[in-house]
Amino acid sequence: AQSVTQPDIHITVSEGASLELRCNYSYGATPYLFWYVQSPGQGLQLLLKYFSGDTLVQGIKGFEAEFKRSQSSFNLRKPSVHWSDAAEYFCAVALLYNQGGKLIFGQGTELSVKP
Amino acid sequence: DGGITQSPKYLFRKEGQNVTLSCEQNLNHDAMYWYRQDPGQGLRLIYYSQIVNDFQKGDIAEGYSVSREKKESFPLTVTSAQKNPTAFYLCASSITGEGDTEAFFGQGTRLTVV
Repeated sequence: AQSVTQPDIHITVSEGASLELRCNYSYGATPYLFWYVQSPGQGLQLLLKYFSGDTLVQGIKGFEAEFKRSQSSFNLRKPSVHWSDAAEYFCAVALLYNQGGKLIFGQGTELSVKP
Repeated sequence: DGGITQSPKYLFRKEGQNVTLSCEQNLNHDAMYWYRQDPGQGLRLIYYSQIVNDFQKGDIAEGYSVSREKKESFPLTVTSAQKNPTAFYLCASSITGEGDTEAFFGQGTRLTVV
């Protein structure tokens, strides 16, 4: 069955430090992968997406992610974290082939930023 | 501005009551989705619709119902059969239902049973 795993429930980093959020997926076909960010009580905003091509994708707010097929991973990175990056981050895979494009989400990683 | 509007932002339901959550989009998207969010569980799909007058159950459809009479509207009814309805509900839409385009999300409705 398709699934997405985010191993880290909560991560704390210092402002200015680098960040990597992990995401592993299980999907039989070529995946369409997404990272979304959610501020408390708000909807989800797309950070970046991978459909095909270059395995290193750039997103908004200085985020990037790298697709590694051999590791079934799509980790999110940012070289220098800002206090405003504190939020919850969700990795997701879209189900294709007559499955309506619905998204399967990971459990989320909550990011805290220390001053 | 184009987007997805969910209303109300907060909703309180008494035991045994049905309530309806509104979701409207002016993005001209074909596909629409309802997700439920509980702490520590990510988002789970309740129902989705790829075209007007057609919809499919998601992973946790029991106790919920939907309709898709208009392209821009996809209301969700939480019925009294839903035993644990307290949650944050998110509506989303995408251009097609093929997964090759991003989903846009509304701001959510927080439903609480009182």
